[in-house]
Amino acid sequence: AQSVSQHNHHVILSEAASLELGCNYSYGGTVNLFWYVQYPGQHLQLLLKYFSGDPLVKGIKGFEAEFIKSKFSFNLRKPSVQWSDTAEYFCAVNNAGNNRKLIWGLGTSLAVNP
Amino acid sequence: DGGITQSPKYLFRKEGQNVTLSCEQNLNHDAMYWYRQDPGQGLRLIYYSQIVNDFQKGDIAEGYSVSREKKESFPLTVTSAQKNPTAFYLCASSTTSVNTGELFFGEGSRLTVL
Repeated sequence: AQSVSQHNHHVILSEAASLELGCNYSYGGTVNLFWYVQYPGQHLQLLLKYFSGDPLVKGIKGFEAEFIKSKFSFNLRKPSVQWSDTAEYFCAVNNAGNNRKLIWGLGTSLAVNP
Repeated sequence: DGGITQSPKYLFRKEGQNVTLSCEQNLNHDAMYWYRQDPGQGLRLIYYSQIVNDFQKGDIAEGYSVSREKKESFPLTVTSAQKNPTAFYLCASSTTSVNTGELFFGEGSRLTVL
């Protein structure tokens, strides 16, 4: 069965530190990959997505993620975090072109100290 | 503004009572979803519907029921058969185009069963 693993459940950083959140999935076929973010008190929203093409994708607010097919990974990065990046981050995967049902990771809670 | 409206935001009920959570969207999306979010467990799919008058069980459908009589509406009933109903419930919608998966979420409904 497909699954998504997010390695860090809780991350605490100081402002201006670099961020990398790990995401690995288990599925041998073609996949679509997503990162969603849930800011405190706000609705869950799409941060960035990968369908095909350049494996380095850029999203909103300076976030980027790199799809490494050989490692089944889609790690989220940001060179310099801000206090406003404090949020819960979810990685999600679906089977491209066939099953639109998303498989979700358990989430990573990021706290950025000012 | 287009979006998804969930109501109520907060709901308290006694054990043994059925509860219906409302979800309305004006995005003209064909697909709608109900998720349950519990701390440390990510998002778990309860039910989803890809067209009007049709819906499918998700991973944790037991104790829940839905209907999809109109494209805009996808209410969720939490029945007394649900053993642990206290949770945060999220409604989402998406297009049904191939190679998509972007979900648009409502702000959620927090149900507490006393």
